[in-house]
Order: sequence, then C-alpha cells, then structure tokens
Amino acid sequence: DAKTTQPPSMDCAEGRAANLPCNHSTISGNEYVYWYRQIHSQGPQYIIHGLKNNETNEMASLIITEDRKSSTLILPHATLRDTAVYYCIVRGSNAGGTSYGKLTFGQGTILTVHP
Amino acid sequence: SQTIHQWPATLVQPVGSPLSLECTVEGTSNPNLYWYRQAAGRGLQLLFYSVGIGQISSEVPQNLSASRPQDRQFILSSKKLLLSDSGFYLCAWSVWGPRGGARGTGELFFGEGSRLTVL
Repeated sequence: DAKTTQPPSMDCAEGRAANLPCNHSTISGNEYVYWYRQIHSQGPQYIIHGLKNNETNEMASLIITEDRKSSTLILPHATLRDTAVYYCIVRGSNAGGTSYGKLTFGQGTILTVHP
Repeated sequence: SQTIHQWPATLVQPVGSPLSLECTVEGTSNPNLYWYRQAAGRGLQLLFYSVGIGQISSEVPQNLSASRPQDRQFILSSKKLLLSDSGFYLCAWSVWGPRGGARGTGELFFGEGSRLTVL
C-alpha cells in the first residue's frame, strides 16, 4: 500500500472549516484514500473514503486531486468535539493477495479545534 | 446492526503474568478480524489478523499470540507479559466479498479498546 504524508498538527477555530491535507504521491490506480479519526482513548472511527471523485457524507467532504497524488479532508464547520488525530490511509479495495483488508496507520494529524 | 465488544476495558498486570483479551462481533458473519496495539504517544500497529476460524497471521514478532476459536471471537493472549506489552489494544473487524473486494464501504470497525499497564 502507498505511503501517506500528513502535517503533524493543525489548529482550527470552532465554526470554521478544517482542511486537512494528505500527500500520497505513490498511489496506484486501484488504491482508495481512506480517512479515519481517533478521539483520545477511543478506537479509530471511519470518516470517508474515495477513489478519484470527490465524496461527501454527513461528516465530511473528501477532495482528491485529478492526478490523485494528494487529497484534502474538509470538516465544514468544526466543533470542539472534532479535536482528534486524523489519519489518511491509502489501500487497495481488494482483500485478496496479501492485503486482507488491513489498514496501515501512520502518525496522522492532530487537529485541535479552539473555542 | 453490527457491534463489536472487547474486554476488559482496563487492566493492570505484573510482569510475567498471563494475559487474555477477548473480542466478539455481533450482527455479521465471516468477518476479517484484527488486533492493533497503540503504545503511548504512538500510532496504531497491526499485530494479528484473521480471515477465518483458526486462521491467524502475525504481522510483527512479539510476545503475544492470537486465536480465533469461533467465527466472531478473537482472543489476544500472552503467557508471560513484558513491560513493553503495555499499551492500548484495539480489536477491529471488516467484511469482504468472496473474491476479495469490499462489501459496503470496506472500512474497519473498531472496538472500545483495552488499556493494559504492565508493572
């Protein structure tokens, strides 16, 4: 699976949009971009994933560049409860071979939302 | 709906004592199951995964072992704990189609975690 690069930390004011970047320049054609977040002392929570089109759900939006080498997770109106570590992960969708659906977590971005 | 439970939530064990953490999944069948560990201030490390009963794959050499005696039960064990085994242990599951690929969104669903302190 391709590696990802994220800034170690970011700040955001409550009510503003939080834009979290992720670089994945070695992504291959069948690999998806997944985003998870982990609030302190809890298990990671799935946020969103995409292949090449932009995606939106009730939690966030995912913008993937046309060359797919980078993406941005957008929390449109950040709240204090969005303070967490955000992980960007690239993985193939096929569980065959040696993948077996595993996710490899990096260090992520610590997002702190301020009042 | 599917749920995942792991226990105990917290435990403090002396060095050299045994360990057993249990994880069960409800509301799904034939899931892939995973054990992750998160040491203090660090990222998540995949320890074991299982694609079926009795099938265990280890990702890193270590003092721990895993077993899957039933379809939706995953157990993490140790015969003798080390100080370095301290951490936050997370069980997770996902569901995949028979030829690979993902049913649903293909994400992993994590349990609440078990915090182990070895003294």
